[in-house]
Amino acid sequence: GQNIDQPTEMTATEGAIVQINCTYQTSGFNGLFWYQQHAGEAPTFLSYNVLDGLEEKGRFSSFLSRSKGYSYLLLKELQMKDSASYLCATMDSNYQLIWGAGTKLIIKP
Amino acid sequence: ETGVTQTPRHLVMGMTNKKSLKCEQHLGHNAMYWYKQSAKKPLELMFVYNFKEQTENNSVPSRFSPECPNSSHLFLHLHTLQPEDSALYLCASSQSVAGGYNEQFFGPGTRLTVL
Repeated sequence: GQNIDQPTEMTATEGAIVQINCTYQTSGFNGLFWYQQHAGEAPTFLSYNVLDGLEEKGRFSSFLSRSKGYSYLLLKELQMKDSASYLCATMDSNYQLIWGAGTKLIIKP
Repeated sequence: ETGVTQTPRHLVMGMTNKKSLKCEQHLGHNAMYWYKQSAKKPLELMFVYNFKEQTENNSVPSRFSPECPNSSHLFLHLHTLQPEDSALYLCASSQSVAGGYNEQFFGPGTRLTVL
């Protein structure tokens, strides 16, 4: 079957670093996406990984290990506006996105 | 602003009502999607349209009826819904339905409550 696992909720402190993990089992693999969703708003694209390794984009980085079925999103220098849900999704062999339930990140001052 | 708009933003309806959700994308994309988002659950893909043709229907009950008159507009017609259909309904678009790096752009969603 197809399955995406990520923690339900995480808490971190403003200015710190947090790592949100995602493990997956999907039929076929055409890449992994991370999206950010603020409460009551649309999910917005953060990153895409299809090859193993780390992709860095400003304060956000995303890592992929295809052999382990594992990814993480790393957020540095946390700001209060980073409080949101972070959605992990893989693209399967039919190019459909399979979504995790999302990780709600709470940033405390 | 993602270039995808949805109306209405909020909708309350009774189980015998008929209503429609509207989605419009201003990105020149060819693929459009309807998703259902329930609290603490993964996004559920409902329908996919590619160049106005439906390519996916993920076993969605017939009380949900999609319509795609052109590549920029997508509707979801609702009738005789159940309380468990209460959720956030998200519309998304992408350049195509295939290809690896195929970022989907989402609208803000319609928060639907069925009484």
